[in-house]
Amino acid sequence: GAGVSQSPSNKVTEKGKDVELRCDPISGHTALYWYRQSLGQGLEFLIYFQGNSAPDKSGLPSDRFSAERTGGSVSTLTIQRTQQEDSAVYLCASSRPGGGHEQYFGPGTRLTVT
Amino acid sequence: AQSVTQLGSHVSVSEGALVLLRCNYSSSVPPYLFWYVQYPNQGLQLLLKYTTGATLVKGINGFEAEFKKSETSFHLTKPSAHMSDAAEYFCAVSEGNNDMRFGAGTRLTVKP
Repeated sequence: GAGVSQSPSNKVTEKGKDVELRCDPISGHTALYWYRQSLGQGLEFLIYFQGNSAPDKSGLPSDRFSAERTGGSVSTLTIQRTQQEDSAVYLCASSRPGGGHEQYFGPGTRLTVT
Repeated sequence: AQSVTQLGSHVSVSEGALVLLRCNYSSSVPPYLFWYVQYPNQGLQLLLKYTTGATLVKGINGFEAEFKKSETSFHLTKPSAHMSDAAEYFCAVSEGNNDMRFGAGTRLTVKP
């Protein structure tokens, strides 16, 4: 497709379960970003990939959160043993190689932990 | 590291009135600056960006922003607000290394 896609669009899970969120960036975009947006809050940076490498994992809130990217394309954000405070919209974005380029955002995955 | 401060988490204007959303940045190098808009239940969409050159940048939907180095500001304006402008607006700064930092956002409400 032409834009960044994310799946699922909505996910409801029980506390303690693991979840996987997927992001398909725009073709050719080497940089990929994950953000979390809690209700009424701004964007919380989680992790950034350049190719398959993650030079900045500083935003991951705990060791229950992990992310990987394979083939320089699709990325998966995994949350283990979900907690209610993990409920949020998880946004993915990608950008072209080089610096100073805008990020293109996907529609997000709304995660609800019950 | 670069950072952004958006003054005012919530701005309310009347339809037809001037919109002014404030953004101040901190950067150790000449910055790249962006404004994004987020409509309810959607991802972020680029409104405009400043890289180099002309300091007054025009974007979509009649918005514009001016880069003022002396004030480290990049305020977003629109001469006349429309009901459809109601949304969340985010300012962002990059130092050109794929590392972008976002402000906390400003929610714009437009009253009829």
